Amino acid sequence: GQQVMQIPQYQHVQEGEDFTTYCNSSTTLSNIQWYKQRPGGHPVFLIQLVKSGEVKKQKRLTFQFGEAKKNSSLHITATQTTDVGTYFCENTNAGKSTFGDGTTLTVKP
Amino acid sequence: DTEVTQTPKHLVMGMTNKKSLKCEQHMGHRAMYWYKQKAKKPPELMFVYSYEKLSINESVPSRFSPECPNSSLLNLHLHALQPEDSALYLCASSQVGGFYGYTFGSGTRLTVV
Repeated sequence: GQQVMQIPQYQHVQEGEDFTTYCNSSTTLSNIQWYKQRPGGHPVFLIQLVKSGEVKKQKRLTFQFGEAKKNSSLHITATQTTDVGTYFCENTNAGKSTFGDGTTLTVKP
Repeated sequence: DTEVTQTPKHLVMGMTNKKSLKCEQHMGHRAMYWYKQKAKKPPELMFVYSYEKLSINESVPSRFSPECPNSSLLNLHLHALQPEDSALYLCASSQVGGFYGYTFGSGTRLTVV
């Protein structure tokens, strides 16, 4: 895969606040996948983005792929305690996957 | 609820031991993967099998030896490991090429003593 930089590394929010994590690349990406890993768990696939400017929604989660296909974001509206975990973006290129460093979200009730 | 099953869930082994990690999937995926994940780090790709053939080896030391006996099974044979090899080892499967994302197993938490 191609190198993807993810920010922030950590995010602490009060329950009900919004949360956003960003994934950036210096090169054009053919795809971006997003995963969630709960503490002590394994990565779980959330979504795949492949089209320029694509926006996909899953309940309170909104995923975007930039027009230039060099960046992506995951936005959670009105966080809940069940949203805690580490969110990773990932790119697959020529059969190789590369994960961003992840954003760890903690939610204070 | 994972459709990729890994055994054992936990493993403690000495540096002179030989052990194997096992992975099984029944989703009809023809690509299977081994990843290594250290604490607070992202998964790192180790090996990729496509159609039961090793297609990618990310310069992994020879003390890790993968095997794909058939389209549903993936093994990782371990020999003469070092303490720094202690990590969570994740198996995953997907459509060939990684389309539509990877389905991960729950992992084997390995401790080398």
